[in-house]
Amino acid sequence: GEDVEQSLFLSVREGDSSVINCTYTDSSSTYLYWYKQEPGAGLQLLTYIFSNMDMKQDQRLTVLLNKKDKHLSLRIADTQTGDSAIYFCAESKDGGATNKLIFGTGTLLAVQP
Amino acid sequence: DTAVSQTPKYLVTQMGNDKSIKCEQNLGHDTMYWYKQDSKKFLKIMFSYNNKELIINETVPNRFSPKSPDKAHLNLHINSLELGDSAVYFCASSRRLAGVNEQFFGPGTRLTVL
Repeated sequence: GEDVEQSLFLSVREGDSSVINCTYTDSSSTYLYWYKQEPGAGLQLLTYIFSNMDMKQDQRLTVLLNKKDKHLSLRIADTQTGDSAIYFCAESKDGGATNKLIFGTGTLLAVQP
Repeated sequence: DTAVSQTPKYLVTQMGNDKSIKCEQNLGHDTMYWYKQDSKKFLKIMFSYNNKELIINETVPNRFSPKSPDKAHLNLHINSLELGDSAVYFCASSRRLAGVNEQFFGPGTRLTVL
């Protein structure tokens, strides 16, 4: 199947950590991505992880990958009001000719001051 | 400098009309895409072109016809618009580097069909 599931909504206080979760179904996915969509704008790549890794850290962002459970998470440390947005995970199949990304259902992150 | 641009930003039209949305990228990418984002924010791929050749064509009504005159442009023409076509349409582009598919999105075109 091609369903990539996320929880719909997450609310945190400024300065706390946020954890956004994603479950994907295609075990052949080679890369997994996190994109951010701010209000009224297109999506922007935040970070990605190769499937043979289980963790990647990039400044305030930490990506964890559990291939056995097909579970991907994004942790944002010291969450700021500017992090309020919709976050999409996505999977893609390397080696194919189509460059196709399957996006998750999106998680709306609301950061309270 | 705008990397991926779309026109128009907003489009309001009556059912049954035909309309086009244009997309241009100045990133030198060879692959371009059209996505549809519905009111629940679900994002679905519609089409993709690589070097002007159609490579992804999802289950989309044939009222939707993409056209890529060159690598930098991908337009979307919609015939006989229906209420269910109301959505935000995003154009994106990418270049494959070491297997990573970073897609760059345009600002979107909000289509409202009355």
